[in-house]
Amino acid sequence: EPEVTQTPSHQVTQMGQEVILRCVPISNHLYFYWYRQILGQKVEFLVSFYNNEISEKSEIFDDQFSVERPDGSNFTLKIRSTKLEDSAMYFCASNPQLNSPLHFGNGTRLTVT
Amino acid sequence: ILNVEQSPQSLHVQEGDSTNFTCSFPSSNFYALHWYRWETAKSPEALFVMTLNGDEKKKGRISATLNTKEGYSYLYIKGSQPEDSATYLCAFLSNDYKLSFGAGTTVTVRA
Repeated sequence: EPEVTQTPSHQVTQMGQEVILRCVPISNHLYFYWYRQILGQKVEFLVSFYNNEISEKSEIFDDQFSVERPDGSNFTLKIRSTKLEDSAMYFCASNPQLNSPLHFGNGTRLTVT
Repeated sequence: ILNVEQSPQSLHVQEGDSTNFTCSFPSSNFYALHWYRWETAKSPEALFVMTLNGDEKKKGRISATLNTKEGYSYLYIKGSQPEDSATYLCAFLSNDYKLSFGAGTTVTVRA
């Protein structure tokens, strides 16, 4: 069964550094998402992406965040200047239609020191 | 931010016993309710997508019901097994296609 894949599985970075989290959604899916979960808290929506542009973003998704689909397969989340509070598990997800269940990747654990 | 609440936050159940827990969500602007199962060190996996009031869905020993008028869904696990230990997330999909997650119910099945 096709899967959403995310790399790396764990990223450690220093405060102020830029990080890029990578995702390969399922190939025939049209909608892509980034979610995050800070330890002990709810899964939070960051951004959705369709047709090569952001369709929705949360208030968390401020100017330090950006997403890109640089080619036909990758979907990346860039955090420009990381802060301690960005430490979380970041999940990429995709679905073929808006009302379909999400297919999640295994997540990238980001630790900002 | 839509208010999606799950209770209890966690529960322990003896192997072989049955259990259930709740997801409550806004009763307006409803499009669908998703249930996901999230095992430690894995990614959330979709269990059910429920759309109609009165829907009942079943997958093996796990089933779910939906009441959209009063804004709640129950998830049932019959004859719990250790492999059922996981966090169960519900997510409310509004009719403008915004998906909001609850905090989850963590189930621990004791052998």
